[in-house]
Amino acid sequence: DSGVTQTPKHLITATGQRVTLRCSPRSGDLSVYWYQQSLDQGLQFLIQYYNGEERAKGNILERFSAQQFPDLHSELNLSSLELGDSALYFCASSVGLAGQGVQYFGPGTRLTVL
Amino acid sequence: AQTVTQSQPEMSVQEAETVTLSCTYDTSESDYYLFWYKQPPSRQMILVIRQEAYKQQNATENRFSVNFQKAAKSFSLKISDSQLGDAAMYFCAYRSAKDKIIFGKGTRLHILP
Repeated sequence: DSGVTQTPKHLITATGQRVTLRCSPRSGDLSVYWYQQSLDQGLQFLIQYYNGEERAKGNILERFSAQQFPDLHSELNLSSLELGDSALYFCASSVGLAGQGVQYFGPGTRLTVL
Repeated sequence: AQTVTQSQPEMSVQEAETVTLSCTYDTSESDYYLFWYKQPPSRQMILVIRQEAYKQQNATENRFSVNFQKAAKSFSLKISDSQLGDAAMYFCAYRSAKDKIIFGKGTRLHILP
């Protein structure tokens, strides 16, 4: 158990809908990262937050947005969902900003768009 | 831009044998960190081992060790005494001191009983 929690575990929805994925980082970790992993693909970095502020953006679509709240939990919002958005979405957390911070991954949320 | 390449999409090894997974990367940075993550069928991402670029000594964690060749920008993972539980997808990852982490496309490792 990495200490990072993600809810829900599974999510099934229809095209055009909007969903929210939730992540709670490990105790003491200030950075939260979101990744997308499509079937048999590597991980694509989406976005990073540090202590409530956006720090880095990757290949995140405009239909997707995220935020980190004062209690450090984070939410990833996916809207106008398309079939191609079906994937495993991981949240990871680390203590700080710098590269030496090991990222610990949550169990992921499996999103299926029908 | 930094890139991470894993040239072996799949590998197989006999149980109890040793296997080496390859990873190369490209960067102009001097300060960075390298990681190997394991993703078993459960899909959980598990950190296997970490290497700081400024350290010349290769990192080891029990049966897992790396061969870090900074000049060649190579970071291979050696698994000794392979066990059935080692079967997984292995991802090599790079992170500079100030940048996001970049993952390779992975190597699927099969353990043959």
